[in-house]
Amino acid sequence: GEDVEQSLFLSVREGDSSVINCTYTDSSSTYLYWYKQEPGAGLQLLTYIFSNMDMKQDQRLTVLLNKKDKHLSLRIADTQTGDSAIYFCAEIENQGGKLIFGQGTELSVKP
Amino acid sequence: DTEVTQTPKHLVMGMTNKKSLKCEQHMGHRAMYWYKQKAKKPPELMFVYSYEKLSINESVPSRFSPECPNSSLLNLHLHALQPEDSALYLCASSREIQNSNQPQHFGDGTRLSIL
Repeated sequence: GEDVEQSLFLSVREGDSSVINCTYTDSSSTYLYWYKQEPGAGLQLLTYIFSNMDMKQDQRLTVLLNKKDKHLSLRIADTQTGDSAIYFCAEIENQGGKLIFGQGTELSVKP
Repeated sequence: DTEVTQTPKHLVMGMTNKKSLKCEQHMGHRAMYWYKQKAKKPPELMFVYSYEKLSINESVPSRFSPECPNSSLLNLHLHALQPEDSALYLCASSREIQNSNQPQHFGDGTRLSIL
């Protein structure tokens, strides 16, 4: 079945760039998503990328997709303390619309 | 702010109680979802409704009973829950199931504690 993997923790200094990585197994995935979850809150859709794209940029966020290696990354420029959260990568199951989540990467931003 | 509204935000109940979680969206979405999430883990899909009909039940115990009264509302009825059912329950919606270019939008969840 489909599987999505992420590293569990990332710690950066305020003002640095953060790069969160994700690998997935389903080569037929058409869309890949990044969600952010702050403590005590639900999941916030950050951005998503279509599988025929290599890159998508939205203000401080850059998503890179290497479809050959099934590798997705989220770069956050000028990381702020408010970016501290858990970031989930997800792919959509080919049938039925089921989201397959990674384990989540906990980003800690130190002042 | 989220366009998917869940009530209540917190719920504490005993194992013999009956309660309901509510979810509402006014984005015209025809697919709605219930997820269960344990602390620092990814959400686990429980149920999917498509056009007000149950489309997916991920082998959820019968003590959880979903209901979709109309296209904007989704309920989760709870009865005789166990302590291990304590979790954050998230509702989500999307335009349709089949169009995977329509992302799922999540509410802020109901934090449920079973005594």
